[in-house]
Amino acid sequence: NAGVMQNPRHLVRRRGQEARLRCSPMKGHSHVYWYRQLPEEGLKFMVYLQKENIIDESGMPKERFSAEFPKEGPSILRIQQVVRGDSAAYFCASSPLSQLALTDTQYFGPGTRLTVL
Amino acid sequence: KNEVEQSPQNLTAQEGEFITINCSYSVGISALHWLQQHPGGGIVSLFMLSSGKKKHGRLIATINIQEKHSSLHITASHPRDSAVYICAVSGGETSGSRLTFGEGTQLTVNP
Repeated sequence: NAGVMQNPRHLVRRRGQEARLRCSPMKGHSHVYWYRQLPEEGLKFMVYLQKENIIDESGMPKERFSAEFPKEGPSILRIQQVVRGDSAAYFCASSPLSQLALTDTQYFGPGTRLTVL
Repeated sequence: KNEVEQSPQNLTAQEGEFITINCSYSVGISALHWLQQHPGGGIVSLFMLSSGKKKHGRLIATINIQEKHSSLHITASHPRDSAVYICAVSGGETSGSRLTFGEGTQLTVNP
């Protein structure tokens, strides 16, 4: 059973370009979370999605950032017009999260290290 | 003040020592998670607990809901235990299932 997959593992962009980060959850998991780890800082929540729905985007910057989790295919975190401050490690996590559970173990992907030049 | 506080921030131990990392939180939760972040950056979930104590190999996690405090213990520490250990909480009234993290504890175990 493959774990959570993220690609690319490393991404270099110049200021003003777009970055697309992909996350394929574990088989059977329909809940995806994106977290960001800025250099020398702790992990911070960005967005929580279920298939075709954004459940909680309270951690997303208001501009330039968007996320989706389509019915088919991976979840995508998109950053438009990247700036140097977007350089960070972006982690995706998935969980099965039953309807009765308020919380469940989250399984993390290896992360995408974004560097903005 | 952060919702999740860990101590110590850095910890250096000799191989074989018993290690304790502490975590305090200030919000209502459904579960507390201990994570391990390897030097290469990957994150592994070690424990999820909502009460009492859990044990896995040389790792033991405890939680006291009344005191809003959790501890992670490592017995007979080994250099391969060197990593960042992160406490996180979930299931709060306003936070739902998303994780809120502490700043992490950098553990170095010397041979």
